[in-house]
Amino acid sequence: EDQVTQSPEALRLQEGESSSLNCSYTVSGLRGLFWYRQDPGKGPEFLFTLYSAGEEKEKERLKATLTKKESFLHITAPKPEDSATYLCAVLTGANNLFFGTGTRLTVIP
Amino acid sequence: DVKVTQSSRYLVKRTGEKVFLECVQDMDHENMFWYRQDPGLGLRLIYFSYDVKMKEKGDIPEGYSVSREKKERFSLILESASTNQTSMYLCASTKDRVYEQYFGPGTRLTVT
Repeated sequence: EDQVTQSPEALRLQEGESSSLNCSYTVSGLRGLFWYRQDPGKGPEFLFTLYSAGEEKEKERLKATLTKKESFLHITAPKPEDSATYLCAVLTGANNLFFGTGTRLTVIP
Repeated sequence: DVKVTQSSRYLVKRTGEKVFLECVQDMDHENMFWYRQDPGLGLRLIYFSYDVKMKEKGDIPEGYSVSREKKERFSLILESASTNQTSMYLCASTKDRVYEQYFGPGTRLTVT
């Protein structure tokens, strides 16, 4: 059964304290993995797409990596404005998109 | 920049009412989607459309229907609203399903 699991559910960091969010998946044929940021009461905002194991993408303090079983979203020296829920989604070989339930990140000044 | 807009940010309706949620995208995308998002359940696909007048059921289509008469517009219809349809509704679009989806701001629907 296709499944996407994100961990931890919630993460509290001090400003400047780097960490990683995990998205593990078991799907039949990965076509792509997507990371989104979602602020409270708003729609998800696209961050990155990864298509194959070993691929990495970076944007400001965020870096996404992909292996055959999981993806990590690394946050380097986070700031309070990085506080949000981060969602990952996996596109299967059958063109079905599965979303994880997200990691709620809080960065404390 | 891709822009996806939704007709309302907040909506309050009564049980049994017919509800229309509208979504418009300005990037000539073929594919459009309707999701609902509930705490602990994540995003769940209601319906999607890959072309004008075409539609496909998602994971939870019961109690909903859709309409796509023009490429840029995708409407979600709740035929007879019920309290268990209280949720955040999100519209999204993409040029091709292998690419990222772009989301609208969402509509918070409350059915009383």
